[in-house]
Amino acid sequence: DVKVTQSSRYLVKRTGEKVFLECVQDMDHENMFWYRQDPGLGLRLIYFSYDVKMKEKGDIPEGYSVSREKKERFSLILESASTNQTSMYLCASVGPGVVDEQFFGPGTRLTVL
Amino acid sequence: AQSVTQLGSHVSVSEGALVLLRCNYSSSVPPYLFWYVQYPNQGLQLLLKYTTGATLVKGINGFEAEFKKSETSFHLTKPSAHMSDAAEYFCAVTTGAGSYQLTFGKGTKLSVIP
Repeated sequence: DVKVTQSSRYLVKRTGEKVFLECVQDMDHENMFWYRQDPGLGLRLIYFSYDVKMKEKGDIPEGYSVSREKKERFSLILESASTNQTSMYLCASVGPGVVDEQFFGPGTRLTVL
Repeated sequence: AQSVTQLGSHVSVSEGALVLLRCNYSSSVPPYLFWYVQYPNQGLQLLLKYTTGATLVKGINGFEAEFKKSETSFHLTKPSAHMSDAAEYFCAVTTGAGSYQLTFGKGTKLSVIP
């Protein structure tokens, strides 16, 4: 079974802090994604990566950056956390098939005070 | 561009009753469609997907969905609701063919009343 893990389930940070959210997948998937989930808004794509060191902006990249130094690891970085970045963050990966499903991690609930 | 509309942010059904969660999509090319379920404090899990071929798709936990091109719909059904079905359900669309990005609906929270 594909396993996608995220470094923290719950995280509390202060405004202005630099925040790192880590995601690791164990199935050698090339494509990885970061979403944020907010009530009533569903999932919105922040960034995705289709290969090591490659990244593409999603629908809401402002205030975020990403890093993909190794194939299995995709990091989301909040350079200077703000209260409006309080949210659930979900990482996903997908295999090389044309319509393979995305596999999701358990999520990190981030609170910025 | 593609989009997904899920009608009803909250749906309540009695245990044993029919579950019907509605999803309509728009896509300029033939779509590939997914339903995901999210249980409290968990990530998303695939329920079922439509790619090509048979338009009635069966998934896990007794759920099924029918792709209706003429209605641009992909509604999710289950004949008899169980308490364990209480969760949030997301419909998603992709154009496939090398595009791995999904566009999600805003979700429908299903409550099951005993």
